[in-house]
Formats: sequence, C-alpha cells, structure tokens
Amino acid sequence: GEDVEQSLFLSVREGDSSVINCTYTDSSSTYLYWYKQEPGAGLQLLTYIFSNMDMKQDQRLTVLLNKKDKHLSLRIADTQTGDSAIYFCAEESNYQLIWGAGTKLIIKP
Amino acid sequence: KAGVTQTPRYLIKTRGQQVTLSCSPISGHRSVSWYQQTPGQGLQFLFEYFSETQRNKGNFPGRFSGRQFSNSRSEMNVSTLELGDSALYLCASSLDSGTDTQYFGPGTRLTVL
Repeated sequence: GEDVEQSLFLSVREGDSSVINCTYTDSSSTYLYWYKQEPGAGLQLLTYIFSNMDMKQDQRLTVLLNKKDKHLSLRIADTQTGDSAIYFCAEESNYQLIWGAGTKLIIKP
Repeated sequence: KAGVTQTPRYLIKTRGQQVTLSCSPISGHRSVSWYQQTPGQGLQFLFEYFSETQRNKGNFPGRFSGRQFSNSRSEMNVSTLELGDSALYLCASSLDSGTDTQYFGPGTRLTVL
C-alpha cells in the first residue's frame, strides 16, 4: 500500500532554520500537506502544495517538492519556541489521506 | 466561521462498554473524516462520510461504526470497548472530498480502563 515516511525527531537551535523531510510513494497524489500538532491539540493545517509546483512560500514556511524523488520538505525559518510541535506530512491517495508518523521538532535555547 | 467541534473532549470508559463521539463540521463542509491517533500506530484513518453515506473506510473492525446526519454532523460509535481503543479520536471536515483540505477538531481523548 501507499506509505509516507518521516524522521521521528528533529532538534534545532532557536533562531536557526528547521527542515523537516518526508518521502511518499503515490506519484499520482495531487496535493501534499503539512500539518502541525501541539501537545493535547488537534491537527492544524500549515500549508499544502499542488503536485505541479516545485516550491511554495508562506511567510516563514517554505515547502519544496521533488516529484522525481517523491520527496517533500518543510523549512521553517527563524525557528521559535512556539514552533515546538509534531509535524505531519500527508499525501492524498485513493480518495484518502495517507499520513506520516510525524516529526517531533525540539527547540534548543 | 466556527471551526470543527468535537464532544466530549475527554471520556473514560471501562472494557466492554460502548461509546459515541460527536463531530460538528465547519458550516458548509459536507465531508467528515474520522481518525484514531495512538502513540504506537500514529494517525490511522477510520472512515469518511459525505452526504450521509460512508464513502471510504479504513482497516478497523466492525466494532467501529459511524454515521452522518443531514446537517453534516457526524457521530462515531465504538462497541465492546477494548483497552487498545484508548486513543485520541480526531474528526476532520472538508468541503466536498475527503482529499480536499481537511480541517481538524481538537479531538476526543478516550481512555478505556
């Protein structure tokens, strides 16, 4: 079946850039998503990218898509303590979303 | 616009009981999806409803069921609860399709003792 993979943890220093990576398997996915989950909360849509785009920028967030390698990344510039959360990558496949396991972003002072 | 609301937020049940969780989607959204989130299994898709019909189903036993009402509100039911059903149950709504941008509620935390 289709699969989405992410590293489980990423640790960065406050003020640095964070890059969270994701690989997916369904080359026919039209949209790919990034969601954020803070402790005890539901998932918040951060951004998404249409499959015919290579890059999308939204304030501190930059999404890069490499369709050939089926690789998606989320870059957070100037990482702040409020960015501490779990970040989920999701691809659409067969009329449902397939989720990665989530990357926990840890911010070091 | 109000976001997705889920009730109750927390629930404690014992093994063998049944439970019903409720989800009210964003106004105008017709698709409601349900997910189970556990530390071990991550986010797993339960089912999706659109116009009162189950359109998509994940790989869960028949103890997990759901329904959608004409106002798009949805309920999910779990019968004969097991310890392993302890999880955060998330509901998400979208305009038309389960793959349109989904907006999530805060979840219902179910603990089975």
